[in-house]
Amino acid sequence: GNSVTQMEGPVTLSEEAFLTINCTYTATGYPSLFWYVQYPGEGLQLLLKATKADDKGSNKGFEATYRKETTSFHLEKGSVQVSDSAVYFCALSETDSWGKLQFGAGTQVVVTP
Amino acid sequence: DAGVIQSPRHEVTEMGQEVTLRCKPISGHNSLFWYRQTMMRGLELLIYFNNNVPIDDSGMPEDRFSAKMPNASFSTLKIQPSEPRDSAVYFCASSFGGSWGGELFFGEGSRLTVL
Repeated sequence: GNSVTQMEGPVTLSEEAFLTINCTYTATGYPSLFWYVQYPGEGLQLLLKATKADDKGSNKGFEATYRKETTSFHLEKGSVQVSDSAVYFCALSETDSWGKLQFGAGTQVVVTP
Repeated sequence: DAGVIQSPRHEVTEMGQEVTLRCKPISGHNSLFWYRQTMMRGLELLIYFNNNVPIDDSGMPEDRFSAKMPNASFSTLKIQPSEPRDSAVYFCASSFGGSWGGELFFGEGSRLTVL
């Protein structure tokens, strides 16, 4: 079956530091890949997505590239802010799945001033 | 535009009581999902509907859980009887799309505590 594995948190870093959150997946077909973000007390919000191999998703300074050869979709940001403190979820969706998402466990990111 | 609306935001109940969680999806969306979030198990998909029809309920933990979507603008998740292990945050999400689906929009969640 499908699965998503992401690095455990919490990840603690200082403002303006570089952030990487690793995500790898297992899928039977050709999934679409997503990063969702959850701020404290809120629901999840789509951060970025990529629908085919070598696609790069980007939003709010975050980027992730769909790497089929390594089955990875690592999230990166060059200079984090305190406001980026949140839980980040990697997820996949297979075609013909009606949008059903398989989520990773989530990685908490804490950015300190 | 209003997002996905869930109620109640918080519910505290005693073991054995019936719990009903409600969700109003975004107008025009044709898929609706119920997820459960716990520290131990993360985000689990319980059930999802397309055009008000349940497509996959394999994530529903047991017969105590049931979900309905009587129309395109309303869904309920019911737990009867509730147990302490049902304590979690329950999220409803909706999307618009065909078999591929589309971006999921999440509500703010219903935090359930069963004593």
